[in-house]
Amino acid sequence: QSVLTQPPSVSAAPGQKVTISCSGTSSNLGNNYVSWYQQLPGTAPKLLIYDNNKRPSGIPDRFSGSKSGTSATLGITGLQTGDEADYYCGTWDSSLSAGVFGGGTKLTVL
Amino acid sequence: EVRLVESGGGLVQPGTSLRLSCAASGFSFDDYAMHWVRQVPGKGLEWVSGVSWNSDRLGYAGSVKGRFTISRDNANNYLFLQMNSLRAEDTALYFCAKDKLPSIAVAEAFDYWGQGTLVTVSS
Repeated sequence: QSVLTQPPSVSAAPGQKVTISCSGTSSNLGNNYVSWYQQLPGTAPKLLIYDNNKRPSGIPDRFSGSKSGTSATLGITGLQTGDEADYYCGTWDSSLSAGVFGGGTKLTVL
Repeated sequence: EVRLVESGGGLVQPGTSLRLSCAASGFSFDDYAMHWVRQVPGKGLEWVSGVSWNSDRLGYAGSVKGRFTISRDNANNYLFLQMNSLRAEDTALYFCAKDKLPSIAVAEAFDYWGQGTLVTVSS
């Protein structure tokens, strides 16, 4: 059971928009920044979003992040088949004194 | 180019020890916190441990606390994970990851990852 809660799967058609939610508590998302990662099959995770809504260089602006209270959201617009991957949210949990991840969300681009 | 290359994984019996290494290059290693994250094949990510740039702050997941020890060698750009009393549930692909910041417990964001080293604990 992951500390952060994500939907197991989401799907949408090419060109459409999808959002992935990440829910936590006051000890993690409520008081710490969230980051998002994309993991393509057979590869290491890749940082997509950090500090709630910042994109590392090289990440297209089709990817966006937001946070409100104890929930965070990853948005992906203009979906491409290459976006099919597992997506994870992550943050620090101040009560556990540990890093925590969501269980991951599998994105299918139909 | 930032490179993180893990090594030291393998097949070991329950109760034994293993030491993982991560060779870092392409950035100022001693300016950043470093972490270990593991993933059971087909499952999600689990943060294992983190160490600040100067080793003054360490963090461990509850599942490994007291059994695993993280350390770093800034002179030679290496990150280590000493794993003792290994259990079957420690079986996973272990990734080395670079933090965007010098310390842990600030805003965990891992901007570079290695390809992982597989640890299998089985009798």
